[in-house]
Amino acid sequence: DVKVTQSSRYLVKRTGEKVFLECVQDMDHENMFWYRQDPGLGLRLIYFSYDVKMKEKGDIPEGYSVSREKKERFSLILESASTNQTSMYLCASSLTAENSGNTIYFGEGSWLTVV
Amino acid sequence: LAKTTQPISMDSYEGQEVNITCSHNNIATNDYITWYQQFPSQGPRFIIQGYKTKVTNEVASLFIPADRKSSTLSLPRVSLSDTAVYYCLRMSGGYNKLIFGAGTRLAVHP
Repeated sequence: DVKVTQSSRYLVKRTGEKVFLECVQDMDHENMFWYRQDPGLGLRLIYFSYDVKMKEKGDIPEGYSVSREKKERFSLILESASTNQTSMYLCASSLTAENSGNTIYFGEGSWLTVV
Repeated sequence: LAKTTQPISMDSYEGQEVNITCSHNNIATNDYITWYQQFPSQGPRFIIQGYKTKVTNEVASLFIPADRKSSTLSLPRVSLSDTAVYYCLRMSGGYNKLIFGAGTRLAVHP
């Protein structure tokens, strides 16, 4: 069975704190993604990585950074958390496809509340 | 942007067949159509994927006409546990950078 594991299911952090959200996949996938999901806004891509140490900005990268030191692990970093970053964060992974037929697998999500 | 269009919400009753149609007028030659299901407070779960004609698995069927400008997810004999949001996506881009729309919120009633 495929597995994308997000280390924290629920977190509460204070404004200004540095926050790390960790994600690990066991499928040897090249691509990893971080999305956030908010009511009425759907899923929005924050960052993605197509290889170790490689990253690209998604649609809403402001206020976030990422780290991909190992193939199986992709971390999302909030340098200074703010209340508008309260959200559910979803990690995902996929293979690099020569065509577009590959599947993206999602983790269970991390609920972050910034107070 | 590789967006798709689908109804915002649908209602059904237990035991009925549900068909959710998705429009993707600008689909590219190499794009696949993929459907995900999401329950509250959980990550999206892959349901089915297809390129053209019909694909069937143990959960659903996917119908894609020859022009590939739309697709229909068919859920046979839904139950209360099928109440969820269903997303239709095009797999666009070399790194499978999925773009999610708002999805269809399906409510199954007793």
